[in-house]
Amino acid sequence: AQSVTQPDARVTVSEGASLQLRCKYSYSGTPYLFWYVQYPRQGLQLLLKYYSGDPVVQGVNGFEAEFSKSNSSFHLRKASVHWSDSAVYFCVLSTEGADRLTFGKGTQLIIQP
Amino acid sequence: EAAVTQSPRNKVTVTGGNVTLSCRQTNSHNYMYWYRQDTGHGLRLIHYSYGAGNLQIGDVPDGYKATRTTQEDFFLLLELASPSQTSLYFCASSEWTGLANTEVFFGKGTRLTVV
Repeated sequence: AQSVTQPDARVTVSEGASLQLRCKYSYSGTPYLFWYVQYPRQGLQLLLKYYSGDPVVQGVNGFEAEFSKSNSSFHLRKASVHWSDSAVYFCVLSTEGADRLTFGKGTQLIIQP
Repeated sequence: EAAVTQSPRNKVTVTGGNVTLSCRQTNSHNYMYWYRQDTGHGLRLIHYSYGAGNLQIGDVPDGYKATRTTQEDFFLLLELASPSQTSLYFCASSEWTGLANTEVFFGKGTRLTVV
């Protein structure tokens, strides 16, 4: 069975600093990976997705993520965070032939002034 | 712009009460999902459907029924609500190609409180 682990329940970063949110997945086949963001009192919105090809994928608002098959990881990065990036971030896995998604438990990002 | 609309946005009911949460999507997607979100658990799948009249069991189905009446409409039913069902509920839709999920679109959520 597949799974997604986000080891950090909460991450605090100063505004303007760089960010990395970690995601590890467990699946022996070809993964399809997503990062979603949930702003306060909102539903989840897609930040970026990886299906194949270049392991570094660009998303909205300056976010990017890097896929590593050897490490079974899909970490999210941003060079300089803004206060508006405060939200909960979910790493999500879809697998071939599966009609449902596997969610990590989410990482709450707190931006300090 | 793809849209998933949930109603109501907030609901308070008593233990043993009957609640229906509604979801409509205008994306022409085949799949629709109901999730609950609780602190420490992330999103957990309750039920899902790949078309009108179809229902699939998710990971936490106990105490919930669901019905997909049309391509657009998916309902979640709690017939004997319990305090453990107090949660934030999300509906979502996606187009599943048979290979993988395309982007999943979420509604804004329904906060249900069972007192």
